[in-house]
Amino acid sequence: LAKTTQPISMDSYEGQEVNITCSHNNIATNDYITWYQQFPSQGPRFIIQGYKTKVTNEVASLFIPADRKSSTLSLPRVSLSDTAVYYCLVGYRDDKIIFGKGTRLHILP
Amino acid sequence: KAGVTQTPRYLIKTRGQQVTLSCSPISGHRSVSWYQQTPGQGLQFLFEYFSETQRNKGNFPGRFSGRQFSNSRSEMNVSTLELGDSALYLCASSLGGSLGNEQFFGPGTRLTVL
Repeated sequence: LAKTTQPISMDSYEGQEVNITCSHNNIATNDYITWYQQFPSQGPRFIIQGYKTKVTNEVASLFIPADRKSSTLSLPRVSLSDTAVYYCLVGYRDDKIIFGKGTRLHILP
Repeated sequence: KAGVTQTPRYLIKTRGQQVTLSCSPISGHRSVSWYQQTPGQGLQFLFEYFSETQRNKGNFPGRFSGRQFSNSRSEMNVSTLELGDSALYLCASSLGGSLGNEQFFGPGTRLTVL
């Protein structure tokens, strides 16, 4: 059974770069990796998506190594407002959508 | 453009009852997915509907069912409620399917089973 694994929690300081890694076995070549951010009492919000190498947008970067068994979300220069839960979402060929348990990121002043 | 809306926002039921939750996707979106979120299990995929057809299904018992109407609005039904069904139920819509496309989530329906 496909499974994703993320760290349960992380702490960092304002202005730092934060990297959150997600492990995902049995991912197929064309399956996408997507990261979402969730604040309390809100639905998750899309951050970034990719399926190989590196993807960058205005808020984050996503690094995917050649073997695709993991991916790393990179948040540059975090602020207090980045305190949230971050989810790694991977689509699999058997069409089972698997969210990770989420990483609770706490940004300290 | 209006976002994804879910009704009701809060619901209290007792064991054995059934419940129906509603989701209105963003205009033009044909895919609606449902998720259950609990503190212990995190976000778990329930099912996805695309153009009125169930396309994907997660590992939930048959008590959980859904449907999608021609206007893409979707409903989720849970029969014979159990205490463990207490959760935040989220729906998400997307232009294409949920795999490989950005999903837009609603605020959720908080279901409490007593």
